[in-house]
Amino acid sequence: GQNIDQPTEMTATEGAIVQINCTYQTSGFNGLFWYQQHAGEAPTFLSYNVLDGLEEKGRFSSFLSRSKGYSYLLLKELQMKDSASYLCASISGGYNKLIFGAGTRLAVHP
Amino acid sequence: GAVVSQHPSRVICKSGTSVKIECRSLDFQATTMFWYRQFPKQSLMLMATSNEGSKATYEQGVEKDKFLINHASLTLSTLTVTSAHPEDSSFYICSATTLMGGVYNEQFFGPGTRLTVL
Repeated sequence: GQNIDQPTEMTATEGAIVQINCTYQTSGFNGLFWYQQHAGEAPTFLSYNVLDGLEEKGRFSSFLSRSKGYSYLLLKELQMKDSASYLCASISGGYNKLIFGAGTRLAVHP
Repeated sequence: GAVVSQHPSRVICKSGTSVKIECRSLDFQATTMFWYRQFPKQSLMLMATSNEGSKATYEQGVEKDKFLINHASLTLSTLTVTSAHPEDSSFYICSATTLMGGVYNEQFFGPGTRLTVL
């Protein structure tokens, strides 16, 4: 079966660093994604990890450990506009099906 | 980057009517389109996978006779919610991709359609 877990809500302070964790159990694993979604909008792509290790992209970094079924998204120098839901998703199957976690709602406050 | 549009962006209908939502890939040919549903404060739930020229593959628990999906061309897929009821009120999002082999081909998401059934 498919199971993706991530915290429901997190809060952080502007300028700080926050780490959003995700654990997954999926069959036919082909990669782990992170998306950002503002309320009422479509998700926007942040990162894709298929190999173990850390991928850095500006203020956002994503880490994957396939042996542990674990990933995290690291956001640095938080800004108010980073307040959004962050969705962890795993891809499996021949048609690139994305299976999403429930999402983590991040609130950044001054 | 690749652009996917959805129409309408917002629709309100009466219970018992049918609503059609269009998903278009504007600058690429999409061999596969996906339809998701998202309830408030919940994540995206995959409803079905749609391949051009063939029948859609529905996820477990999704009624194929209620949610009709047509993918008649490489740039257009439609989702029709038949005999809509208030519990069908949700945010419907499509995504499109072109399968070119390899581990993964990026999915490009449409802006979503907010359906409200009165």
